[in-house]
Amino acid sequence: EVQLVQSGAELRKPGESLRISCEASGYIFTSHYISWVRQMPGRGLEWMGRIDPSDSYTHYDSSFEGHVNISADKSISTAYLQWRSLKASDTAMYYCARRRGGTEDAFDLWGRGTLVTVSS
Amino acid sequence: DIQMTQSPSSLSASVGDSVTITCRASRTVIKYLNWYQHKVGDAPRLLIYGASNLQGGVPSRFSGSGSETDFTLIISSLQPEDVATYYCQQTFSAPRTFGQGTRVDMK
Repeated sequence: EVQLVQSGAELRKPGESLRISCEASGYIFTSHYISWVRQMPGRGLEWMGRIDPSDSYTHYDSSFEGHVNISADKSISTAYLQWRSLKASDTAMYYCARRRGGTEDAFDLWGRGTLVTVSS
Repeated sequence: DIQMTQSPSSLSASVGDSVTITCRASRTVIKYLNWYQHKVGDAPRLLIYGASNLQGGVPSRFSGSGSETDFTLIISSLQPEDVATYYCQQTFSAPRTFGQGTRVDMK
């Protein structure tokens, strides 16, 4: 089955580090970019950045650059989203999403999300 | 960044009604416009890509149109399973910005 399986919910304190994961299956991982999308409580979707799993080249939205790190391990078909120092404002649901093949740029496969709660 | 503005923010309609959601871009995105459906507790789902192309497996009651700055998503006959929030997204330029969402409820 073609799917993206995300890691489970996390509870952290401000200042702590965290890495969440997104494991791909059922397709060639290196053939599709993976993006991360944030949804803060009661808010809409925000594109954070993406990675090309074939060479780990990344591109970030300016709002997130320097605060998060996107990486991938193609040997295990898994993408990651990492924080070195969490803030309370990082509390959100985080989705990974696959860019569809072809010339049209759209996210045709999504994970079910990882809820990150940052609270002291 | 290109700003995407959807209207309305929410709507209620009855089973069988035709529902129209609009999305306006702050500058042209040509036809690089996608629509997603997001149900509570579920992963978002791609409905329409390239402004008017129906993603595989999506019911034909969903359709998209438009170009440049003005786009429309139509649900031709609303079904109970269509209760969700709908988002447009432009992919003409980085960052890939989304609209704020339109919540669709059943009357």
